[in-house]
Amino acid sequence: GAVVSQHPSRVICKSGTSVKIECRSLDFQATTMFWYRQFPKQSLMLMATSNEGSKATYEQGVEKDKFLINHASLTLSTLTVTSAHPEDSSFYICSAPFRGRGYTFGSGTRLTVV
Amino acid sequence: GENVEQHPSTLSVQEGDSAVIKCTYSDSASNYFPWYKQELGKRPQLIIDIRSNVGEKKDQRIAVTLNKTAKHFSLHITETQPEDSAVYFCAASNGGSSNTGKLIFGQGTTLQVKP
Repeated sequence: GAVVSQHPSRVICKSGTSVKIECRSLDFQATTMFWYRQFPKQSLMLMATSNEGSKATYEQGVEKDKFLINHASLTLSTLTVTSAHPEDSSFYICSAPFRGRGYTFGSGTRLTVV
Repeated sequence: GENVEQHPSTLSVQEGDSAVIKCTYSDSASNYFPWYKQELGKRPQLIIDIRSNVGEKKDQRIAVTLNKTAKHFSLHITETQPEDSAVYFCAASNGGSSNTGKLIFGQGTTLQVKP
């Protein structure tokens, strides 16, 4: 139980375009979703926290207008990288807490901006 | 906010030896401390976790200890095997029993177990 499905797993886009990443909780209701970014050989850095029905909370230094987060329902949270540039190329991964049992992670999205 | 420091960044041991990875945290309200193993390009896999009401937890060759006073926790792997070679992350959150707090990761440790 407590599975989060993340899509796409890999995406290549042109500089200046936008990319949407989806995370769906398949067998539980994810009222909260955490979004992380991981550069090669580095740690998972928390970008923002989305809560169903309210505005996302962004960590210091993360541009909210560039990384649009929407948590439209109890089973879907999305991250849109707007006007992507090569420096946005990274591994993006979502995570949802599930009561009393820890955190479950999506499978991650490898974004390459060319 | 919470800050988690992890050491060492790289660790090389001989097969059969023990490996210890240490983390410190800054937020005294943190109460959940998981350890993850991550393969390249994959999601983190939980290997063991500990809550603030427990000082030590063991699962076969893996153990975690927590010192709340000093705000540090450690991962101990005994009888290491080559397949233990991976990147390990510690993390901390203050979500309580409902685990709704944000999870902050340490910098990671690359463990190499030499046959």
